[in-house]
Amino acid sequence: DAGVTQSPTHLIKTRGQHVTLRCSPISGHKSVSWYQQVLGQGPQFIFQYYEKEERGRGNFPDRFSARQFPNYSSELNVNALLLGDSALYLCASSIDNRDREYEQYFGPGTRLTVT
Amino acid sequence: AQTVTQSQPEMSVQEAETVTLSCTYDTSESNYYLFWYKQPPSRQMILVIRQEAYKQQNATENRFSVNFQKAAKSFSLKISDSQLGDTAMYFCAFMKPYTGNQFYFGTGTSLTVIP
Repeated sequence: DAGVTQSPTHLIKTRGQHVTLRCSPISGHKSVSWYQQVLGQGPQFIFQYYEKEERGRGNFPDRFSARQFPNYSSELNVNALLLGDSALYLCASSIDNRDREYEQYFGPGTRLTVT
Repeated sequence: AQTVTQSQPEMSVQEAETVTLSCTYDTSESNYYLFWYKQPPSRQMILVIRQEAYKQQNATENRFSVNFQKAAKSFSLKISDSQLGDTAMYFCAFMKPYTGNQFYFGTGTSLTVIP
């Protein structure tokens, strides 16, 4: 079975631009979460989506937004990019069955560089 | 708010030896999950081991085991018979149940296994 996939792998953008990152969860998984991992730090929670609805949001500005599609794939959008947005963006999927809510599987990430 | 602290930025161990990675956390919750994740140079985060806070018995997965001290809010990872493939960043993480799969990660420990 395919794991969590993310595209693109790498991306270089200029300050002020916007970016869209994509994530496809494991087949059968209905929940997608996004994390930002700045170099040298642990991942920071940005969003969680389940059944197309936002169920959790971390401490990130409104420039960050996301959505989930009927096939459970997800997009993370970042507007007005800042140098500090340079990071590895991780997507994680889970079944979101309450008995197994802790089973979160991570994708390989998208490396965003803002110049 | 939950915080997770990993006080060892870097560690090294000789192949076949044992190493222990430290993690402390702060929470007012009584029920939660704790995790150790491994992030090899290829970047994909992989679950190493999980501990439910209500379980007194320490979790074990083959060569990996934890020392969970709930009162002290300590959660260390012991790797026995270290192998070259264990070289990676190791992240300690905390999750409250029913909160939208929101994980809190520490800053990581970079482990190098020396042949």
